[in-house]
Amino acid sequence: GAVVSQHPSWVICKSGTSVKIECRSLDFQATTMFWYRQFPKQSLMLMATSNEGSKATYEQGVEKDKFLINHASLTLSTLTVTSAHPEDSSFYICSAGGPNTGELFFGEGSRLTVL
Amino acid sequence: GENVEQHPSTLSVQEGDSAVIKCTYSDSASNYFPWYKQELGKRPQLIIDIRSNVGEKKDQRIAVTLNKTAKHFSLHITETQPEDSAVYFCAATPNYGGATNKLIFGTGTLLAVQP
Repeated sequence: GAVVSQHPSWVICKSGTSVKIECRSLDFQATTMFWYRQFPKQSLMLMATSNEGSKATYEQGVEKDKFLINHASLTLSTLTVTSAHPEDSSFYICSAGGPNTGELFFGEGSRLTVL
Repeated sequence: GENVEQHPSTLSVQEGDSAVIKCTYSDSASNYFPWYKQELGKRPQLIIDIRSNVGEKKDQRIAVTLNKTAKHFSLHITETQPEDSAVYFCAATPNYGGATNKLIFGTGTLLAVQP
């Protein structure tokens, strides 16, 4: 199947700093990528749809100024958590649709811990 | 928008028994229903999926059934093994194959297979 890679896999930062997470489609081009957030023992909650070359579409309740998404190329989308606070600590996972089917492939996930 | 409910939240079975997880969805336009298995701290892995033009699909010990009229679909695992223990998520989308194929996930089921 198609490969989606995320970096970093884990990050610890101080409250008030910003953290950038990268999501790459390694062997296919993805015009659309999706960012999910998963709190411990909970489901994957869709945060936003990242669109190559245009603005991201955010789900209701997700602050676009806090979670900045940039999709500057067909293989890379980035999520920046700005002015992170402890409540932003979570598992962030990106996904992208495969080149030939409707299946979504997920990155490894990035565990963010804000102290 | 789409809303997906999943039951039960936890399921414990003896090795060799069958396990059934059920999901309901709200958007009658949804046309793609994948099931993911997620082990602790790892990315979700697709285990089986079904499209709305099919009522049942089977892959070895795993099967999925879909009832479009009732808007529910189920995952069936037969001859369970300890390595089946994980969290299982159902999902739905009305945009299969489209550029905005965003998945909405159910709340998850923690399956524990007792040896």
